[in-house]
Amino acid sequence: DTEVTQTPKHLVMGMTNKKSLKCEQHMGHRAMYWYKQKAKKPPELMFVYSYEKLSINESVPSRFSPECPNSSLLNLHLHALQPEDSALYLCASRWGARGSSGANVLTFGAGSRLTVL
Amino acid sequence: AQSVTQLGSHVSVSEGALVLLRCNYSSSVPPYLFWYVQYPNQGLQLLLKYTSAATLVKGINGFEAEFKKSETSFHLTKPSAHMSDAAEYFCAVKSAAGNKLTFGGGTRVLVKP
Repeated sequence: DTEVTQTPKHLVMGMTNKKSLKCEQHMGHRAMYWYKQKAKKPPELMFVYSYEKLSINESVPSRFSPECPNSSLLNLHLHALQPEDSALYLCASRWGARGSSGANVLTFGAGSRLTVL
Repeated sequence: AQSVTQLGSHVSVSEGALVLLRCNYSSSVPPYLFWYVQYPNQGLQLLLKYTSAATLVKGINGFEAEFKKSETSFHLTKPSAHMSDAAEYFCAVKSAAGNKLTFGGGTRVLVKP
């Protein structure tokens, strides 16, 4: 299995809703990432988990709450979002172990397209 | 801090013509460099990577890139464009030790028949 699976593919939510995005990989990768991508823009890093611990938070508003329950799963909990949070949310993972030729390569999922009304 | 700059947000080429996408990096330590491609409504797919081995790197779909330290560049080329090459291309940089992968602004490629 060489994929990163993201669900749902599309999500529409109101500003008072609570929802979650899910990301799963079974490649044994130990670093997992959330990126946000607005239309016609590059992906912007939000969070990085390394060995299930949060290692990078790019000053993301608290209405976005990441969670890494185990080494294969990464969630992004959404609460009280704003219309400007509408975007494509991309999950990625990489091996993370030094000394491997593939250790620095991120594998991306297809993304979850979020619309906030 | 590390960063990449892609020159040209849009490139238009004729089918069969050379594709050249420019990327310059800024990094205080030897970087790892990547090119990713994104088709409409999809995630990012790795085209190729430079990780301090050979300076000329071959990737998928006939693309290649050359790492030039003296020019701090990592330009992407393909000798002959195909209609299926129409997509958004992102150059990205990562330090050897860190977790952070930073993208350039992207270049949208249009292929004319």
